[in-house]
Amino acid sequence: GAGVSQSPSNKVTEKGKDVELRCDPISGHTALYWYRQSLGQGLEFLIYFQGNSAPDKSGLPSDRFSAERTGGSVSTLTIQRTQQEDSAVYLCASKGIGLSGELFFGEGSRLTVL
Amino acid sequence: KQEVTQIPAALSVPEGENLVLNCSFTDSAIYNLQWFRQDPGKGLTSLLLIQSSQREQTSGRLNASLDKSSGRSTLYIAASQPGDSATYLCAALMDSSYKLIFGSGTRLLVRP
Repeated sequence: GAGVSQSPSNKVTEKGKDVELRCDPISGHTALYWYRQSLGQGLEFLIYFQGNSAPDKSGLPSDRFSAERTGGSVSTLTIQRTQQEDSAVYLCASKGIGLSGELFFGEGSRLTVL
Repeated sequence: KQEVTQIPAALSVPEGENLVLNCSFTDSAIYNLQWFRQDPGKGLTSLLLIQSSQREQTSGRLNASLDKSSGRSTLYIAASQPGDSATYLCAALMDSSYKLIFGSGTRLLVRP
């Protein structure tokens, strides 16, 4: 596609349920990031994928969070046993080869945990 | 640890005014700096990307400058319009890593 695509755009779930958020990066982009933006807060780094290298998971807030990237393209962020504090907008971004490129963001997935 | 600060947190100006948004960073070892715009309920839209070797970049009414030695970047918006109302974020990419460190943003309102 022309841009970064995220789904679902909105997700309402009950506390304790698992959720999966999907990101389809720009074709050919090797780097993929997940960020979290809580209401009125800045962007919090979660995880970074670069090609076939091991991902940097240092930003994941707890072991309930995990992410994978299959075939170097689509990524899925999974949150297990959701808590109310997980409510936020989860943003995915991708970038082409090399550090110098622009980062392009998707529209985000808004997660509400009741 | 890199910290990125944006001042002011909010700004309200009348239409037509020229304005400057500020972004400062504590560690000058940056690879590049990117300015984004975020509309309510939306993702981030890239506005301008300045490499560390550049001093400024221009796109239409927008001009971004970078001064690594002083740890500052500015986004200049000429002849502001109500459609410019949004939150503007800057983000620094560190030399030593791939992480973009974001500022908390400046919320701009351009009044008709």
